[in-house]
Amino acid sequence: AQSVTQPDIHITVSEGASLELRCNYSYGATPYLFWYVQSPGQGLQLLLKYFSGDTLVQGIKGFEAEFKRSQSSFNLRKPSVHWSDAAEYFCAVGALNNNDMRFGAGTRLTVKP
Amino acid sequence: DTAVSQTPKYLVTQMGNDKSIKCEQNLGHDTMYWYKQDSKKFLKIMFSYNNKELIINETVPNRFSPKSPDKAHLNLHINSLELGDSAVYFCASSQRAGAGGELFFGEGSRLTVL
Repeated sequence: AQSVTQPDIHITVSEGASLELRCNYSYGATPYLFWYVQSPGQGLQLLLKYFSGDTLVQGIKGFEAEFKRSQSSFNLRKPSVHWSDAAEYFCAVGALNNNDMRFGAGTRLTVKP
Repeated sequence: DTAVSQTPKYLVTQMGNDKSIKCEQNLGHDTMYWYKQDSKKFLKIMFSYNNKELIINETVPNRFSPKSPDKAHLNLHINSLELGDSAVYFCASSQRAGAGGELFFGEGSRLTVL
């Protein structure tokens, strides 16, 4: 079965600074990769996803992520963070032949004024 | 109109009680899920149904029993509640099984067992 590691439990950045959240996956075949965001008291919302094709994918709210097969990574980036980006971010991996999506432990993002 | 809706949003109950959480999706999806999110925000799949048929049943105590009366509904019943059942339970749906596709989540049901 597939698995996901998010090495950073908590990251703090200043408003306006750039952001990179790390995600590493383990899966023997081509993975389906996702980033979700969870604001306090809310459900998870999809930011972006990678199935195939261009390895740099654009998402909502100015986020992007790059799939690097050689590093088994799918890191999330944003060039300039806004205070409203403070939330919990989850990387997830799915697979074509099952619908058991596995989530990482999440990275909590704090944005300093 | 909410795509995936769960009720109740908050549930506070005593140990030993039985409770249910209901979930409905109006997206026309074939597959529905229950996830448990613990106090450390870790999300763990519990069950998945595809067209009312159980397809994923993770190692979950048999006090937890899902029921899917139709493909738009997936309810979760919990018997003999324990302190460790306190968590946020998320319902989700996806277009079809086996396609590794995007999940659409409800807002969660926070269960507190006293």
